[in-house]
Amino acid sequence: KNEVEQSPQNLTAQEGEFITINCSYSVGISALHWLQQHPGGGIVSLFMLSSGKKKHGRLIATINIQEKHSSLHITASHPRDSAVYICATGGSQGNLIFGKGTKLSVKP
Amino acid sequence: NAGVMQNPRHLVRRRGQEARLRCSPMKGHSHVYWYRQLPEEGLKFMVYLQKENIIDESGMPKERFSAEFPKEGPSILRIQQVVRGDSAAYFCASSPLGHSTGELFFGEGSRLTVL
Repeated sequence: KNEVEQSPQNLTAQEGEFITINCSYSVGISALHWLQQHPGGGIVSLFMLSSGKKKHGRLIATINIQEKHSSLHITASHPRDSAVYICATGGSQGNLIFGKGTKLSVKP
Repeated sequence: NAGVMQNPRHLVRRRGQEARLRCSPMKGHSHVYWYRQLPEEGLKFMVYLQKENIIDESGMPKERFSAEFPKEGPSILRIQQVVRGDSAAYFCASSPLGHSTGELFFGEGSRLTVL
């Protein structure tokens, strides 16, 4: 059974800081997703990764398949980045397994 | 191109009633997923459907819950004889290719409250 662990659980940063959120999983996967859940509850997909690195604006996601680890980085953080960030892994079947999320609060 | 549409956004039911939650995927998407988020807990997979077929229902409770994605119309998640423990946010997501090869697009969720 795949376990998905995220760290830290909660993170408070000052505006402008560089932020890293980590995700580890226990079994081989076909894809890893990073999601953002806003305070209002809506969910947005940020990245889908199967290898290497992806960048979108101030967000960077990396994955190391051998180490079963992924990181989400936010450069020049802003209060509007405050949200819960969720890592989810998928195998060849239909279900995704989700981490518990990292609650990020960026102070002005 | 409209996003994933879920309705109702909020639903209140008394114990024993039925709840029906609807999800219209993005245009051109044939893969639909339902997830449940209990209060103060993470998301949990419930069911994966393609048009007219249930592909994976390993996350569905064995009783009272059912899902369908007919040839025409939205996907429906049906909960019969609701209990207080069913109170949660139910999210639908769609994908053009399946989650292992395609990005997921989420709806805003349907929040069920059972009195």
